[in-house]
This record gives sequence, structure tokens and C-alpha cells, in this order.
Amino acid sequence: GENVEQHPSTLSVQEGDSAVIKCTYSDSASNYFPWYKQELGKGPQLIIDIRSNVGEKKDQRIAVTLNKTAKHFSLHITETQPEDSAVYFCAASQGSSYKLIFGSGTRLLVRP
Amino acid sequence: DAMVIQNPRYQVTQFGKPVTLSCSQTLNHNVMYWYQQKSSQAPKLLFHYYDKDFNNEADTPDNFQSRRPNTSFCFLDIRSPGLGDAAMYLCATLAGVGTDTQYFGPGTRLTVL
Repeated sequence: GENVEQHPSTLSVQEGDSAVIKCTYSDSASNYFPWYKQELGKGPQLIIDIRSNVGEKKDQRIAVTLNKTAKHFSLHITETQPEDSAVYFCAASQGSSYKLIFGSGTRLLVRP
Repeated sequence: DAMVIQNPRYQVTQFGKPVTLSCSQTLNHNVMYWYQQKSSQAPKLLFHYYDKDFNNEADTPDNFQSRRPNTSFCFLDIRSPGLGDAAMYLCATLAGVGTDTQYFGPGTRLTVL
């Protein structure tokens, strides 16, 4: 079955700097890759996603890139702000049931 | 407006005392999911529904059951909660027909005394 690895587990950046979180997946049949932000005590919130027919997607300060050949995808956050501090999860999905396999999460801390 | 609603937000139960968590969704989608998330871990899928078809993950303990009386509502029943079942329980559904975008509810934090 699918396995998703996520790095780093913790990331501390200065406000205004960029943050990059990387994930790799094992099953080449996976075709959908969402990223979720989870704040303490809340449910995961979808922030951006990408499908296997696209190499890059951007939404304001957030971007995701996908390399199907290498089976990895990355989240890029530019001009980080303290409110970006949270746990970020990548995930991979395939098939008609759309089951998500999550990475282990990255705790991002943006220092003011 | 909230698309996935979970009640209660916090639930305390005693060891071995059955507990039911509820979830409702306003998207009227035929797929719903239940996840368990333990502290500092990723969400782990317990089971999902496609309409009324129940799909259990292979490693979901028998202690966890679910009911879906109609499209909008889904319940998670924990028959005999153990200390290891203390976790956040998340419900999710899909954003629309033919889409794979999952929206999560706010979760129910379960404490087992």
C-alpha cells in the first residue's frame, strides 16, 4: 500500500522568511496530493492541493510542486507570518474511495 | 458556514463505558470518513461509507463501530473504550461529486478516565 514520508518534523523560521516542507510517496498510482494545516485543538484545514497532471500550483503565499518521476511533492510558504505557525500534513490519494494516506506532519514555528 | 459538524467537541467517558460521537455534513455527499488522531500523530482512517456501504480498514479494532442512518449523519460508537482510545476523532466528507477534496470537521476530543 501507499506510504508517505514527510520532512522535517519540526521547522522554525523567522517571520518573513520562506518555509519548505517535503513529502515523498511510494505508490506511482497516487494522483491527488493535498496539504492540510492543523491548529491546536482543531480539525485539519485544506490549504492547497495538486493533481498528478500538474507540476506546480500557487495560491498567494503558498505553492505546491510535484515531481511524479521522483515521487515527491513540496509545500512552499513565502513571507511567513506568525499565524502560519501550525502543524502541516501532506497526504496522497488514489482510487474511487479517495482514501487519504497522511505524512507524519511538520510542526512549523514562525518566530516574530 | 460549517460543512462538517461534530458533536460534542469534547467527550469524557469512563473506562469500558460505551460512547457515541456524532457527525453531520451539509454537503449531502454520499461518502463520509472517520479518522482517529492521537497526540502528535497524523490522522488514521478507521472506516468510510460510500452511501450505506461500510468499509472497514483492516487494522481498525472491533471495538469501533459505525452507523449511518441517512446521508447527512454518521455516528462512531466505541463499545468499550480503553485508555488507548483517548484521541481526537475526526469526521470528513468530500467537497462534491467526482472530486477527491476532503473537508474535515472540527473533531471530538475523547478523554477516557
